[in-house]
Amino acid sequence: DADVTQTPRNRITKTGKRIMLECSQTKGHDRMYWYRQDPGLGLRLIYYSFDVKDINKGEISDGYSVSRQAQAKFSLSLESAIPNQTALYFCATSDRQGLGTGELFFGEGSRLTVL
Amino acid sequence: GQNIDQPTEMTATEGAIVQINCTYQTSGFNGLFWYQQHAGEAPTFLSYNVLDGLEEKGRFSSFLSRSKGYSYLLLKELQMKDSASYLCAVRKAAGNKLTFGGGTRVLVKP
Repeated sequence: DADVTQTPRNRITKTGKRIMLECSQTKGHDRMYWYRQDPGLGLRLIYYSFDVKDINKGEISDGYSVSRQAQAKFSLSLESAIPNQTALYFCATSDRQGLGTGELFFGEGSRLTVL
Repeated sequence: GQNIDQPTEMTATEGAIVQINCTYQTSGFNGLFWYQQHAGEAPTFLSYNVLDGLEEKGRFSSFLSRSKGYSYLLLKELQMKDSASYLCAVRKAAGNKLTFGGGTRVLVKP
């Protein structure tokens, strides 16, 4: 089983709909992240959380919100989806800085299409 | 902010060597990562450099020069399965946020 699990893996929705992408992890990491990936633009950080009570905006947070329900769960919401939010979304986790390299461990991705 | 530049695409022959360059501009540098990403899959960690020099891990090596804001990933004895995108990412000293370059797609031909 994957250590970082995202649901749904694929979703097609319509403009204006509310969408939630969920992420759960079994790695025991404190830190969790949401990235989106668009062709040619690489991975861009949407939101990140260093523990349950800590939520921070990334470089492209407009139009998104997050909830850290528990150490192991971090969900991303699009309150009113629009077509330019069509992308591949990745959840990632990392250990605290100072423990190992602090590398990111990614989920398998959630492909979202907004019509 | 951070600017991270890497070539968009490279082509190489099976068995050959390919070098993927990454240049960056950042304040408060705290490490550079390379990830491999096959089409439609999650990125997977390849290497990490925080001090100047070469880190070797099997067929893959990564080099860092902090004064030049420069890194490269060297792939030796290329195999068909190495066809993938390679992502350069820089971490700042404050926090553990990684900023990614656009990725370099490497195509390995027979």
